[in-house]
Amino acid sequence: DAGVIQSPRHEVTEMGQEVTLRCKPISGHNSLFWYRQTMMRGLELLIYFNNNVPIDDSGMPEDRFSAKMPNASFSTLKIQPSEPRDSAVYFCASSFGTGGYEQYFGPGTRLTVT
Amino acid sequence: DAKTTQPPSMDCAEGRAANLPCNHSTISGNEYVYWYRQIHSQGPQYIIHGLKNNETNEMASLIITEDRKSSTLILPHATLRDTAVYYCIVRFRLQGAQKLVFGQGTRLTINP
Repeated sequence: DAGVIQSPRHEVTEMGQEVTLRCKPISGHNSLFWYRQTMMRGLELLIYFNNNVPIDDSGMPEDRFSAKMPNASFSTLKIQPSEPRDSAVYFCASSFGTGGYEQYFGPGTRLTVT
Repeated sequence: DAKTTQPPSMDCAEGRAANLPCNHSTISGNEYVYWYRQIHSQGPQYIIHGLKNNETNEMASLIITEDRKSSTLILPHATLRDTAVYYCIVRFRLQGAQKLVFGQGTRLTINP
């Protein structure tokens, strides 16, 4: 099993540019999560999907952030326009089922906005 | 979800058992105790979970007190690779209960 796959692993961009982060969940998992981690705020849940449908996006910081899951094997997190305060490590995780099952995390994307 | 309290840091000698405590005094009857860890620069990793009974897997053992207000994660023979931040999370395991809320965790350092 390849585990959760994220790309790119590192992204450096200038303020104002659009950034797209990608995630491929573990095959057979039907829930997908996007987290953000910073030194100041720790690990925060941004949004999660169940069966490709967004269930809770209350953690999305503002309208500049959007997430999609067009099919069971792919999700994107987009930031447009990006700002320096968006610099963080973004993790994608997946799990099976809809009831508090174990989540498996990807390696993360380290985003730096200058 | 119930709030948890963990010591910010701990040290343990390589080869010894590492015992990581967690207090969750407001836990409700249907909430499970989960443990995850995060090794530097990696994504969090699921370790183990339990409800009432003690649990053991290939990674660790979980001891939950009879009143369920606290628990201990035990790494029986700690290695340098076990150096990580360990998170204790209490949450429901039922329909729609998907959120993982990470606190500050315990930074465990295994010393040679």
